[in-house]
Amino acid sequence: QVQLVQSGAEVKKPGASVKVSCEASGYTFTSYGISWVRQAPGQGLEWMGWINPYTGNTEYAENLRGRVTMTTDRSTSTAYVELRSLRSDDTAVYFCARLIGDYTAFDYWGQGTLVTVSS
Amino acid sequence: EIVMTQSPATLSVSPGERATLSCRASQSIGSNLAWYQQKPGQAPRLLIYGASTRATGVPARFSGSGSGTDFILTISSLQSEDFAVYYCQQFNVWPPWTFGQGTKVEIK
Repeated sequence: QVQLVQSGAEVKKPGASVKVSCEASGYTFTSYGISWVRQAPGQGLEWMGWINPYTGNTEYAENLRGRVTMTTDRSTSTAYVELRSLRSDDTAVYFCARLIGDYTAFDYWGQGTLVTVSS
Repeated sequence: EIVMTQSPATLSVSPGERATLSCRASQSIGSNLAWYQQKPGQAPRLLIYGASTRATGVPARFSGSGSGTDFILTISSLQSEDFAVYYCQQFNVWPPWTFGQGTKVEIK
């Protein structure tokens, strides 16, 4: 069965960086895009960006460009998101999600990783 | 950027009743709309994609309709496990693939 398993919670200071992982199993990793979505406490969902695990092509949300990098490791079927220059408003649960082949929905999601930014 | 607006923000419904949730796009998105359900402490779950296609394993009481700018998610007879927050998301124009702000379905 398809599974996306994310790394554990992180606590970071303002200005630091964080890297969250998402290990995929149960399907051919390079055949489906991965997006990252975050959710601040008590708030809605915010799309952060997308990566094609086969080509490495990426698209990022405009408000995060310059601070975010998405990568994949095909040898371990793992996707990563790195966010730099962390601010308090980056405190959120970060989800990875698999994109349906025709780019019309996210059909499987990771369990979420809480990133807390606090001095 | 396409703005997705959901209404109402909160919907109070009794178990067994019908729930109708609305999602409006700031410009036409064809049928490129998905609906998700999210319960506290959980990841979102895909319910509907392509505006009206139920995802695998989703009960038939969930149905989606609409195209262009106006979309509806209907839950025909609310069960206890359906009380949650529901989000719509457009996939017509990116980046970004924008979400609505969510509708909370609560017990009346």
